[in-house]
Amino acid sequence: GIQVEQSPPDLILQEGANSTLRCNFSDSVNNLQWFHQNPWGQLINLFYIPSGTKQNGRLSATTVATERYSLLYISSSQTTDSGVYFCAVPQIKAAGNKLTFGGGTRVLVKP
Amino acid sequence: EAQVTQNPRYLITVTGKKLTVTCSQNMNHEYMSWYRQDPGLGLRQIYYSMNVEVTDKGDVPEGYKVSRKEKRNFPLILESPSPNQTSLYFCASSSLDRAHMNTEAFFGQGTRLTVV
Repeated sequence: GIQVEQSPPDLILQEGANSTLRCNFSDSVNNLQWFHQNPWGQLINLFYIPSGTKQNGRLSATTVATERYSLLYISSSQTTDSGVYFCAVPQIKAAGNKLTFGGGTRVLVKP
Repeated sequence: EAQVTQNPRYLITVTGKKLTVTCSQNMNHEYMSWYRQDPGLGLRQIYYSMNVEVTDKGDVPEGYKVSRKEKRNFPLILESPSPNQTSLYFCASSSLDRAHMNTEAFFGQGTRLTVV
């Protein structure tokens, strides 16, 4: 099945700093999602981004499907940005349409 | 508000006592699935459903049952829970495109289950 790798695994930021998280995937995909898992365990949808660039406030994402990677940008980070960020891609229909998640990037934003 | 609702959010139970975790979505999605999240193992799919009365096993189905009698509901049943089923569980739903591939997935709030 498809492999999804995220980097870096851990990130410590000072409040106000910018950062870039990367997601590499091993095969062609028809869509990709970014999630934020907050300290209470909830998975929050950030972006549904098969290709191109999207922005939502201080967050933006870019997917280059032909080169099999996606980037998540956090600008002017805040303590509420802390948590784990996952990217996920769907498997093919025969594999149950399941989402394959990367290992996540654990982000800690210090005040 | 479009959402996936799971209940309960937290549950502590004893080995062997049957339990059900409910999941309901209000987006008229065809596809629903259950995942469990464990440290070091990530999120793994338990069961999924492509539509009403159509369910199938995911990667880790042992010890679980599901049913899909209505489009909006997809309960997860543990007939005889064991300590190795202690985990964080998520229900998810999405619509299917013309090629029957998933579009954007939405997740419930999670159910933290402890089996003692």
